[in-house]
Amino acid sequence: DQQVKQNSPSLSVQEGRISILNCDYTNSMFDYFLWYKKYPAEGPTFLISISSIKDKNEDGRFTVFLNKSAKHLSLHIVPSQPGDSAVYFCAATAMDTGRRALTFGSGTRLQVQP
Amino acid sequence: DGGITQSPKYLFRKEGQNVTLSCEQNLNHDAMYWYRQDPGQGLRLIYYSQIVNDFQKGDIAEGYSVSREKKESFPLTVTSAQKNPTAFYLCASSTGSEGSPLHFGNGTRLTVT
Repeated sequence: DQQVKQNSPSLSVQEGRISILNCDYTNSMFDYFLWYKKYPAEGPTFLISISSIKDKNEDGRFTVFLNKSAKHLSLHIVPSQPGDSAVYFCAATAMDTGRRALTFGSGTRLQVQP
Repeated sequence: DGGITQSPKYLFRKEGQNVTLSCEQNLNHDAMYWYRQDPGQGLRLIYYSQIVNDFQKGDIAEGYSVSREKKESFPLTVTSAQKNPTAFYLCASSTGSEGSPLHFGNGTRLTVT
């Protein structure tokens, strides 16, 4: 049972435009959500996170939006750059369960065209 | 320069052999994790440890074993009981506090033939 879902395996956008990556979750106990970026044969790199008590968090070109009622979050990258081309993973954790480990989605491959 | 070191980068083994993957961190993190990534899939949790001398099974622990004798080290043994051991293995660490992100190593690609 996938608790974190990224339904779009790939996304292609033009340089300078907005990239929107989506993520849905089913576990209402999740209280922190994180986005990671991954290049082939490397470990994921942390990008940005959001607590469930917020609905938006911004860091430079990256903004994460959380809609708790819809159990949906999205990562916006503006403007997109060719160096953003990578696989993006959404992850979530439920701290009060005592399990302080992340549950990951299956990833979305973003390609930014020059 | 603080970080997580996984070695080796590539590992080849014959079916039926146990193999141990190394993970060392100098970030002074309490918590450490092992994940597995298969092609087209996300990362799945194998084992995690929140403190020295303690660890818990993750979602896919069968066929794996770990130890946490030192804060800096969290080796993973892939045993012959693991039915599909060929995969990309990622080690991570964190402070373990609320909302703290995981910091990942660069992974070990294990191929078993």
